Amino acid sequence: AQSVTQPDIHITVSEGASLELRCNYSYGATPYLFWYVQSPGQGLQLLLKYFSGDTLVQGIKGFEAEFKRSQSSFNLRKPSVHWSDAAEYFCAVAEGVTGGGNKLTFGTGTQLKVEL
Amino acid sequence: EAGVAQSPRYKIIEKRQSVAFWCNPISGHATLYWYQQILGQGPKLLIQFQNNGVVDDSQLPKDRFSAERLKGVDSTLKIQPAKLEDSAVYLCASSFWTGANTDTQYFGPGTRLTVL
Repeated sequence: AQSVTQPDIHITVSEGASLELRCNYSYGATPYLFWYVQSPGQGLQLLLKYFSGDTLVQGIKGFEAEFKRSQSSFNLRKPSVHWSDAAEYFCAVAEGVTGGGNKLTFGTGTQLKVEL
Repeated sequence: EAGVAQSPRYKIIEKRQSVAFWCNPISGHATLYWYQQILGQGPKLLIQFQNNGVVDDSQLPKDRFSAERLKGVDSTLKIQPAKLEDSAVYLCASSFWTGANTDTQYFGPGTRLTVL
């Protein structure tokens, strides 16, 4: 069964500092990978996704992620964090479902705190 | 483009009572998902619909949870009777079906359920 591990439950960074959130996945076939962000009281917003091709994926809000098959990782990065980036970040892996769509398995999330 | 709508946003009930949640997906999205997100965890898929048919309900506690999508658009998720451990945020998501397993899911704001 597929699984996602986000080893960091909480991360605190200073505004303007760089950020890297870790994500490791377990999936037998070619993984389809996503990063979502969840602000308090909000649903999940898609930051970026990887299906194939270039292993460095650009997303919204200045985020990027790099797929490394050899390390089974899909880490999220941002060069300079803004206070508004404080939120919870979820990594997810998808597998196809017979009949259409896909099934997402999420990690437990990383709570990002930004110090001013 | 309007996003995924959910109501109510918050609900407090006592154990053994029943509760229902409503979801209206993005227009044209054939695939609809219900997730349960317990505090401190990532979302877990409960049920997936393709139009008005169930694709996957393997993680739905069928003794107390039910869901329907009668006309292939709106959906309701019901819990009867509720237990304390059902306290969670219930997220609805939808995706445009392309036939591929790379469809991106878009999430609503969720319904926060508290069972006392």
